[in-house]
Amino acid sequence: DSGVTQTPKHLITATGQRVTLRCSPRSGDLSVYWYQQSLDQGLQFLIHYYNGEERAKGNILERFSAQQFPDLHSELNLSSLELGDSALYFCASSAPGQGVNTIYFGEGSWLTVV
Amino acid sequence: GENVEQHPSTLSVQEGDSAVIKCTYSDSASNYFPWYKQELGKGPQLIIDIRSNVGEKKDQRIAVTLNKTAKHFSLHITETQPEDSAVYFCAPQRGNTDKLIFGTGTRLQVFP
Repeated sequence: DSGVTQTPKHLITATGQRVTLRCSPRSGDLSVYWYQQSLDQGLQFLIHYYNGEERAKGNILERFSAQQFPDLHSELNLSSLELGDSALYFCASSAPGQGVNTIYFGEGSWLTVV
Repeated sequence: GENVEQHPSTLSVQEGDSAVIKCTYSDSASNYFPWYKQELGKGPQLIIDIRSNVGEKKDQRIAVTLNKTAKHFSLHITETQPEDSAVYFCAPQRGNTDKLIFGTGTRLQVFP
């Protein structure tokens, strides 16, 4: 158990709908990262938050947005969903001040768009 | 670095054989070189890492070697076992980078 909690574990929704994925980082971790992994694909970096502030963006679609709350949990919002958005979405967290980014992944949220 | 490639993309070995996966990066300022293992249905987990002031690091059956001049590092698994079957990712980075990019991934299959 990495200590990173993601909900829901599985989600099936229709095209055009909006969903919210939730992530609770490890206790004490200030950084939260979101990644998308499609079938047989690598880990695509979406966005990074540090202590409530956006720090970096990857290839995140305009239909997607994220935020990190004062209690450090994070949400990834996916709207106007398309079939191609079906993927495994991972959240990961890391601790500050270690000089490197050893990150700890959650178990992921499986999103199926039908 | 932002341009990160892994080779091979798939690798099949017989149980007991060795496996080597190579990660090539473009950012010469990278100074931390981890490898992650992703088992089916799970999130990736760190299995070994190395810093730029070290050329090689070993932990039981796994090792990582670094060639900073050529900008690549490799994961070595000896005496492979079926439970080593997974997807392996590298993630070279410089310090506390804000944009953490993973390599393209290598699917390792170990046949009994």
